[in-house]
Amino acid sequence: DTAVSQTPKYLVTQMGNDKSIKCEQNLGHDTMYWYKQDSKKFLKIMFSYNNKELIINETVPNRFSPKSPDKAHLNLHINSLELGDSAVYFCASSQDTGGLGDEKLFFGSGTQLSVL
Amino acid sequence: QKEVEQDPGPLSVPEGAIVSLNCTYSNSAFQYFMWYRQYSRKGPELLMYTYSSGNKEDGRFTAQVDKSSKYISLFIRDSQPSDSATYLCAMTATGGFKTIFGAGTRLFVKA
Repeated sequence: DTAVSQTPKYLVTQMGNDKSIKCEQNLGHDTMYWYKQDSKKFLKIMFSYNNKELIINETVPNRFSPKSPDKAHLNLHINSLELGDSAVYFCASSQDTGGLGDEKLFFGSGTQLSVL
Repeated sequence: QKEVEQDPGPLSVPEGAIVSLNCTYSNSAFQYFMWYRQYSRKGPELLMYTYSSGNKEDGRFTAQVDKSSKYISLFIRDSQPSDSATYLCAMTATGGFKTIFGAGTRLFVKA
């Protein structure tokens, strides 16, 4: 049973389209994240949600809108896709550490987004 | 200057070699230090976790943190072809919710 699952695994689309990526975790964690990994494998945080509340928004363009309907789900909607959005997007979750910082992240298998 | 610097490699070693992977960082507020391993087309998985300075050993893996030098290391003993992956250092400060990753080092262990 997959701990952090995200769909779809691959997403190929045209510039200007709108797309969504879904993420679900069954670990009972309170905190979920979206990370972006570029072609050079650099992994950068985009958003953090704790108990459905947005905690971190790392200067991501407004075209990216996360939504957490409940603690187990965090979706990412992207409007007006651009070539530069092509990357692998990872969802992750962790236990709530009360802001101590010792988060141990559990990652999904990633969504490879290709914008043509 | 990036908060976390890591040589992307690639690093190629023969089977059985000792591997040393390193990261430096600039933010003295970092307190928690991790190493993640990422196989091709997979998500990163937590390999080692250390709080503050010191060493931690787990099987063939040893993680070291030197906060005075802002330098962390991962050693892999008796490396195996199955260790071939990208290794990402990561760290967080108190306050949490934001893990910062290094660029990742690609390791190849040749049989």
